[in-house]
Amino acid sequence: GAVVSQHPSRVICKSGTSVKIECRSLDFQATTMFWYRQFPKQSLMLMATSNEGSKATYEQGVEKDKFLINHASLTLSTLTVTSAHPEDSSFYICSARRGGAGTEAFFGQGTRLTVV
Amino acid sequence: GENVEQHPSTLSVQEGDSAVIKCTYSDSASNYFPWYKQELGKRPQLIIDIRSNVGEKKDQRIAVTLNKTAKHFSLHITETQPEDSAVYFCAASPGSSNTGKLIFGQGTTLQVKP
Repeated sequence: GAVVSQHPSRVICKSGTSVKIECRSLDFQATTMFWYRQFPKQSLMLMATSNEGSKATYEQGVEKDKFLINHASLTLSTLTVTSAHPEDSSFYICSARRGGAGTEAFFGQGTRLTVV
Repeated sequence: GENVEQHPSTLSVQEGDSAVIKCTYSDSASNYFPWYKQELGKRPQLIIDIRSNVGEKKDQRIAVTLNKTAKHFSLHITETQPEDSAVYFCAASPGSSNTGKLIFGQGTTLQVKP
């Protein structure tokens, strides 16, 4: 299957600092990628849709100035958590779909962010 | 927007028994419904999906049924094994164009007792 890779897999940062998470489609081009957040023992919550060459679309309640998304190429989307706080500690996962409508989405391995 | 409800939140079965997880969705235009298995700290893994032009799909011990009129779909696992123990999520792709965007149910923790 298609491969989506995230980096880093784990990161610990201090409160007030920013953290960048990368999501790459390794063997296909993705004009659209998606970012999800998952708190412990909870479901995946869609945060935003990352669009190559244009602004991301954020879900209701997600602060676009706090979660900066950049999709500068067809194989890379980045999520930057700015001014991180302990409540931002979570599992962040990206996904991308390789083909057309009706094809499956592939997920990155996720990034465990801990803000101390 | 799309809303997906999943039940039960936990399910415990004896090895060899069947397990059924049910989901409902709200967007009548949705036409793609995947099911994922997630182990602790890992990415979700697609186990089966169904599109709205079929009512049932089967892959060995796993089957999914879809009732578009009632807007619900279910996952059936037969002859459960301890390695089936995990969290299972249903999802729906909102709208009719299936962009890859997914709205997930709350998840079901399945425990298969040996």
